[in-house]
Amino acid sequence: AQSVAQPEDQVNVAEGNPLTVKCTYSVSGNPYLFWYVQYPNRGLQFLLKYITGDNLVKGSYGFEAEFNKSQTSFHLKKPSALVSDSALYFCAVRPQSGNTPLVFGKGTRLSVIA
Amino acid sequence: DTGVSQDPRHKITKRGQNVTFRCDPISEHNRLYWYRQTLGQGPEFLTYFQNEAQLEKSRLLSDRFSAERPKGSFSTLEIQRTEQGDSAMYLCASSLDLGLTDTQYFGPGTRLTVL
Repeated sequence: AQSVAQPEDQVNVAEGNPLTVKCTYSVSGNPYLFWYVQYPNRGLQFLLKYITGDNLVKGSYGFEAEFNKSQTSFHLKKPSALVSDSALYFCAVRPQSGNTPLVFGKGTRLSVIA
Repeated sequence: DTGVSQDPRHKITKRGQNVTFRCDPISEHNRLYWYRQTLGQGPEFLTYFQNEAQLEKSRLLSDRFSAERPKGSFSTLEIQRTEQGDSAMYLCASSLDLGLTDTQYFGPGTRLTVL
């Protein structure tokens, strides 16, 4: 069965510093990978996804993520954090074959400190 | 683009009562998903529709839960004989059918509290 691990419940970073939110996955075969962000009292917003091709995926709000097949990781990154980036971030995965639903990690709370 | 909407945003009910939630997807989207999210967890898949057909249901979806999408547009999720363990945020998402690569767009959710 597929699974996603987000090893950090909380990440703190100073405004202007680079940020990384970690995600590792387990699927049979090749994955499709997604990042979503959730602000308080709001639904999840799509940030970016990896389908195939270039391992570095660029998404909304200056975020990017790097797919690393050997390490089964898909870490979310941003070169310079903003206070407004403070939110809950979810990584999700589904295998490229079969018809299994999207599986989400437990989420990582990002706090950007001014 | 009005996005995915859900109604109500909050629902408080007593144990044993029935509740129904509504989801209106983005207008051209033919797929509609229901998820449940509890505190400290990511969304967990419940069921999804392709147009009006319910194609998959999770084992999380007990017999007390039923979902419909009668005309392939809006969807309802009903919980009968609610239990305290049903307290959660119920999220709806919609997408265009691109196979397994579809991007799901989420609504704001309905927060259910069962007393």
